[in-house]
Amino acid sequence: DVKVTQSSRYLVKRTGEKVFLECVQDMDHENMFWYRQDPGLGLRLIYFSYDVKMKEKGDIPEGYSVSREKKERFSLILESASTNQTSMYLCASSLYQDTGTEAFFGQGTRLTVV
Amino acid sequence: AQKITQTQPGMFVQEKEAVTLDCTYDTSDQSYGLFWYKQPSSGEMIFLIYQGSYDEQNATEGRYSLNFQKARKSANLVISASQLGDSAMYFCAMREGRRFGNEKLTFGTGTRLTIIP
Repeated sequence: DVKVTQSSRYLVKRTGEKVFLECVQDMDHENMFWYRQDPGLGLRLIYFSYDVKMKEKGDIPEGYSVSREKKERFSLILESASTNQTSMYLCASSLYQDTGTEAFFGQGTRLTVV
Repeated sequence: AQKITQTQPGMFVQEKEAVTLDCTYDTSDQSYGLFWYKQPSSGEMIFLIYQGSYDEQNATEGRYSLNFQKARKSANLVISASQLGDSAMYFCAMREGRRFGNEKLTFGTGTRLTIIP
């Protein structure tokens, strides 16, 4: 069974803290993605990575950074958490093959910044 | 500009009726893929159906079909004989051409579908 695992289901952090969200996939996928999901806004792409140590900004990268040191792991970093980063964060992965390859998602991390 | 537009924030449909969820997209690529995902209240994202830009036939998967109109840039999801378990959020997504470093998957804002018994 394919698996994308996010390290936490729920997180509560304080304003100004550095926050790490971890995502691991066991499918040997090249592509990995981080999205945030907010009501009425759908899923918005923060960053994506198509190879180890490679990354591309998505649509809303401000306030975030990412790290991909190993193929299976893609980390999202909130350098200094703010209340407007309270959201659901979804990680996904897919094969680098053709446009027909579906993305597999983790269970999501609901982050609350207080 | 929005890459994926879903104009129906919410829909209510009687059980056993067919339902069409709208999706329009914007791309200048010739090669792209369109996806539909379902997100029940539990939160997981479930892949439903895929349509490639070069596919001549509309995709079908069980009760799901994708009404692909390339010239109009629309990729509507049709669910036949709706069931109570179809109540969920539905997202349309697009993956643009296979160029190195351009494998991103863009989502719409979603449609919340509620099936009424």
